Amino acid sequence: KAGVTQTPRYLIKTRGQQVTLSCSPISGHRSVSWYQQTPGQGLQFLFEYFSETQRNKGNFPGRFSGRQFSNSRSEMNVSTLELGDSALYLCASNSGGSGGYTFGSGTRLTVV
Amino acid sequence: GQQLNQSPQSMFIQEGEDVSMNCTSSSIFNTWLWYKQEPGEGPVLLIALYKAGELTSNGRLTAQFGITRKDSFLNISASIPSDVGIYFCAGQAVSSGTYKYIFGTGTRLKVLA
Repeated sequence: KAGVTQTPRYLIKTRGQQVTLSCSPISGHRSVSWYQQTPGQGLQFLFEYFSETQRNKGNFPGRFSGRQFSNSRSEMNVSTLELGDSALYLCASNSGGSGGYTFGSGTRLTVV
Repeated sequence: GQQLNQSPQSMFIQEGEDVSMNCTSSSIFNTWLWYKQEPGEGPVLLIALYKAGELTSNGRLTAQFGITRKDSFLNISASIPSDVGIYFCAGQAVSSGTYKYIFGTGTRLKVLA
């Protein structure tokens, strides 16, 4: 079955702009989590959605938001971009329980 | 954000050698996961551990869930060049019915042929 699909793969934005990233989970997976990965901070948890509801949230400012649709696809939005938001944004899905997550290849966001 | 302590941070080894890395936490976890990430890709799940003391293998990889539930270990036997990458541990704590993974800082492995 198809894996986790993230679009776009690469993105360049200007400071102050906003961006929306998309994630399509594995078919049948209802939980989608988002992570930010930077060389200095490693993998940082952003939030998790399950059945269209945000189930858990990391320690990121309100500029970072997300949502999940009825087909389990998820989007992440970052408003008022800052240079420090440059990172690899990873999406991961699982069936909603305690098992491991399957990651997508990520979206590389560069803010200039 | 909260992270697990993973060591070593990086290591260079000769092809054929065995590799050991570990992850420790001040919190108790119900699940430990080990992932490998290669350049330009997302992490790929290698091994999942669900019970204290559990020892699980995946080919040349073996991981153990520490008895205290605060640590986990990953061993790679007879390393080969394609083992190069960053290895992450992740711990999951269950509280208030939610699931959240905390990731280690990663161990960067380089194998010298």
